This record gives sequence, structure tokens and C-alpha cells, in this order.
Amino acid sequence: EAAVTQSPRNKVAVTGGKVTLSCNQTNNHNNMYWYRQDTGHGLRLIHYSYGAGSTEKGDIPDGYKASRPSQENFSLILELATPSQTSVYFCASGDLGGRFVEQYFGPGTRLTVL
Amino acid sequence: AQSVDQPDAHVTLSEGASLELRCSYSYSAAPYLFWYVQYPGQSLQFLLKYITGDTVVKGTKGFEAEFRKSNSSFNLKKSPAHWSDSAKYFCALVSGGSNYKLTFGKGTLLTVTP
Repeated sequence: EAAVTQSPRNKVAVTGGKVTLSCNQTNNHNNMYWYRQDTGHGLRLIHYSYGAGSTEKGDIPDGYKASRPSQENFSLILELATPSQTSVYFCASGDLGGRFVEQYFGPGTRLTVL
Repeated sequence: AQSVDQPDAHVTLSEGASLELRCSYSYSAAPYLFWYVQYPGQSLQFLLKYITGDTVVKGTKGFEAEFRKSNSSFNLKKSPAHWSDSAKYFCALVSGGSNYKLTFGKGTLLTVTP
């Protein structure tokens, strides 16, 4: 079965600190995505990737960087965390393919920036 | 630019009733549309998708949705509703090109009372 895992599941960070959220997928999908979920906003796309070595800006990339070192792994990096980045972050993988495969989501990471 | 609107932030109904969650979209090209469900404290799970062909699509958990090009809608339906259907439901639209980006609506919180 398709699987997307995230670590850590919960994180408390201090303002100005560096935070790295990690995502791993075993679906062999080319595309991976990072979203954040906030009350009243639904899910918003931060960064995405077409494959190893590529990263693209999503709809709300400011304050975030991404890294895709391999097909399986996609990281989201907050170089200088701010309280406004307190949120739940979801990673997802997906592909176009012939059947337009839906995106599979990880369990989420709850980040609190104090 | 594409957008998805879910006009009902919260819907409450009794078990056994029919449910219909509304979704409208704005997109200049042929849309690819999805519904996802999020149970409390969990990640998003795929329910169904419309890519092309039959305008009524069936998904998991007994749900179906009808694509109506005439009024740019993709409403989710189920009858009868069960208390276990209580969750947050998200409608999403895929933008064109190879990047396979999902744009989400803000979601509808469904409460089914026993």
C-alpha cells in the first residue's frame, strides 16, 4: 500500500531557530508536496518537487525552503522560525500517470513556534 | 488562476438523512476534481475523483459526486448518512500542466447526529 511518513510528528521550536521537517514516500511517485493547514484556510501549498534535485515554489513559499535529495525524501526547512509558522504541516506524494493518480498524504506534523 | 469554493463551513444533519456537500470551482480549462475526507486528528484520505467521462463518479465509503459543467460544481453526496461520516471534507482542483498542483477549498465540517 502507498505510504507517506513524516517526522517528527510534533515539534516545539523557538522563534529564530531552524526547523527541518522530513517526509519519506515509498510510492515511487515523482511529485512530492508540502502543505500547511490552518483553521479558515484549508490546505495551502508551500513547495513541491518534480523529482530528485528539483524544488518549486507553491502558493505561500515565503519563509520556507525545500530540499529533495532523492526520489523518496522531501524536506521542508524553516531557517528562522516565527510564531506565524505555527501550524500543521502535511507532506504528500502523487503522479500524473495514465490514471491521474490522486495524492497520498502523510500523517502530518504539528509545529508550534514559541 | 483557479479557485475552489465550499460555501458551507459547517453542515449538521441526522443519521439516515441524505447529505450533499457543495463545491464550486473556477478554472479556465477542463477541471480535474477531487474530494478528500479528514477525520478528527487524522490526515487526508482520498474519496473520489473526476477526470473525464461519466459525470457521476463513485468513490470509497459509499460516496458519490456529480460533475456539472453548466454551473461549475462538483457536489458530494451520500444516502443515508451515518454518524461515522462526521468529518471535514475538502474539495480540490488540479491545475494544468505537469506539476499536478492541488488547490483546496476551505473545507466543510460535517456533523451527523445519531
